[in-house]
Amino acid sequence: DTAVSQTPKYLVTQMGNDKSIKCEQNLGHDTMYWYKQDSKKFLKIMFSYNNKELIINETVPNRFSPKSPDKAHLNLHINSLELGDSAVYFCASSQESFGEQYFGPGTRLTVT
Amino acid sequence: GENVEQHPSTLSVQEGDSAVIKCTYSDSASNYFPWYKQELGKGPQLIIDIRSNVGEKKDQRIAVTLNKTAKHFSLHITETQPEDSAVYFCAAGDYKLSFGAGTTVTVRA
Repeated sequence: DTAVSQTPKYLVTQMGNDKSIKCEQNLGHDTMYWYKQDSKKFLKIMFSYNNKELIINETVPNRFSPKSPDKAHLNLHINSLELGDSAVYFCASSQESFGEQYFGPGTRLTVT
Repeated sequence: GENVEQHPSTLSVQEGDSAVIKCTYSDSASNYFPWYKQELGKGPQLIIDIRSNVGEKKDQRIAVTLNKTAKHFSLHITETQPEDSAVYFCAAGDYKLSFGAGTTVTVRA
């Protein structure tokens, strides 16, 4: 059974489009995260939710909007995609807001 | 905010030798220090972590040491094997983690 899953795995789209990435965890964790990994493999936190409440909101353009319909899901919606949004986006989860984080397989977003 | 520096950026070792990766951090409030291994095309996987009340932790061939006074921590891999080849990330923080830039480790057979 996959602990943290993301869909889609690959996403190719044109500038200006709106797209969503979905994440689900079956670990029963309370906290979920979105990270962005750029072409140099640098990992940076974007958002974190604990029990559906936003607890981390880094300096991210407001074109990015996370949504947590329940504890097991955290989706990322991106409006008006730009070339610089091309990256791998990872979802992660942890039991508490301070603890071991388990990462999903990533979604490679390519904006053309 | 927290700033984590990681060295070296690349590391090539002969199979059976040891590998050491070092990280420094800036925020003295950080009290959780995990290490992640990322294989090609996969998400980072936690391999070992240490909290600020512990100076050293070992799990088979992997060990981590922490010096809170100097604000640095290190990953040690002994008896390296080809399957240890990957990108390794250190991280520091508490409820929010800041990651190092990664070390690409290549184990030569």
